[in-house]
Amino acid sequence: GAVVSQHPSWVICKSGTSVKIECRSLDFQATTMFWYRQFPKQSLMLMATSNEGSKATYEQGVEKDKFLINHASLTLSTLTVTSAHPEDSSFSICRAKRRDTEAFFGQGTRLTVV
Amino acid sequence: GQNIDQPTEMTATEGAIVQINCTYQTSGFNGLFWYQQHAGEAPTFLSYNVLDGLEEKGRFSSFLSRSKGYSYLLLKELQMKDSASYLCAALDSNYQLIWGAGTKLIIKP
Repeated sequence: GAVVSQHPSWVICKSGTSVKIECRSLDFQATTMFWYRQFPKQSLMLMATSNEGSKATYEQGVEKDKFLINHASLTLSTLTVTSAHPEDSSFSICRAKRRDTEAFFGQGTRLTVV
Repeated sequence: GQNIDQPTEMTATEGAIVQINCTYQTSGFNGLFWYQQHAGEAPTFLSYNVLDGLEEKGRFSSFLSRSKGYSYLLLKELQMKDSASYLCAALDSNYQLIWGAGTKLIIKP
């Protein structure tokens, strides 16, 4: 099956710093990458969708200047949380889709901002 | 608007059967997914239904009725490791996933 590797799986950072999360499709080319975020006891919420080589499309209410998404190649997408604050503590998951097939989740990243 | 409804929490006994229901209203429909998510982990794929009927996969089965906007996940011979959240998600006409809030399943010995 298709493998999506996401890391780090767990990160603690100080308030005001930036954190980068990587998502790699190991054995397929991901034409589309979805980034989700989940707060405790809430549903997964789509943050943004990116297609390789183009700018990400952000969902309403998601600050594009705070959550920087890069999808520079067909196997790698990154999410950078800039100037993180404690309220940004959450669980982020990427989901990589190859053309015309189901998308596959990464392992997820638990972010704690202190 | 688009909406997914599923119970917040359910409790069942080890060895028993439990059915988790999900109703959906979406702009168009391209299938329904069920995922299992343990705390602090990514969701893992359980099933995908796009045609009406029951799909059986080992201890887990998933049912879909498109006319009723309804699906259920059936778990048989429950084991303690089945304690998790079960997420229902519908794929709309734009191939975007609309997620339910998840059903927390508690298994008691």
